[in-house]
Amino acid sequence: DAMVIQNPRYQVTQFGKPVTLSCSQTLNHNVMYWYQQKSSQAPKLLFHYYDKDFNNEADTPDNFQSRRPNTSFCFLDIRSPGLGDAAMYLCATSRDWTGGDIQYFGAGTRLSVL
Amino acid sequence: AQTVTQSQPEMSVQEAETVTLSCTYDTSESNYYLFWYKQPPSRQMILVIRQEAYKQQNATENRFSVNFQKAAKSFSLKISDSQLGDTAMYFCAFMPFYGGSQGNLIFGKGTKLSVKP
Repeated sequence: DAMVIQNPRYQVTQFGKPVTLSCSQTLNHNVMYWYQQKSSQAPKLLFHYYDKDFNNEADTPDNFQSRRPNTSFCFLDIRSPGLGDAAMYLCATSRDWTGGDIQYFGAGTRLSVL
Repeated sequence: AQTVTQSQPEMSVQEAETVTLSCTYDTSESNYYLFWYKQPPSRQMILVIRQEAYKQQNATENRFSVNFQKAAKSFSLKISDSQLGDTAMYFCAFMPFYGGSQGNLIFGKGTKLSVKP
């Protein structure tokens, strides 16, 4: 009965080779988020979608892109992964984008860059 | 900019005992939300407890309770009767109530809690 599902759980890619991470949800929530979590660091918001509206955080590198083809799915594309992009990537959803809305997380995709 | 600080990278507690995890934050806003999230090993992060800043009463959820001190900007989590299943990374997080980032969570670095039998 997982509500936010991330695939794959582990992804290995080569330096500079594009990679796509996937997230799906069964909650029918309006908002989907992508966070980057490096070892021993706080999860850091990369961007979020409110329905089809894309909202990029100011310090998110251009190397990171996202697509949301429908309510249920959201993808994180890393165009040219560098060694510094190795991290856990967390997808989350919330019903709305207002103060106090609870975010529901997936189990994450751990990305390794060789 | 808001920041969240968790000063205890790791803690351990014996089963059935009580443990308190610390969190401080910095903000100039008067209205906001605070959260504690739990991330068990290899599993998804789940909400433990949520506190609204304009409510003075401390939030509680079964064995979990918070000590919210707004003036001191402190938001500690107390876990009573610790269980082995409480072993996890615990994140404190801040969310503005309004102002353009009202849906965004700002996390601390986390506290790794180990419950020992």
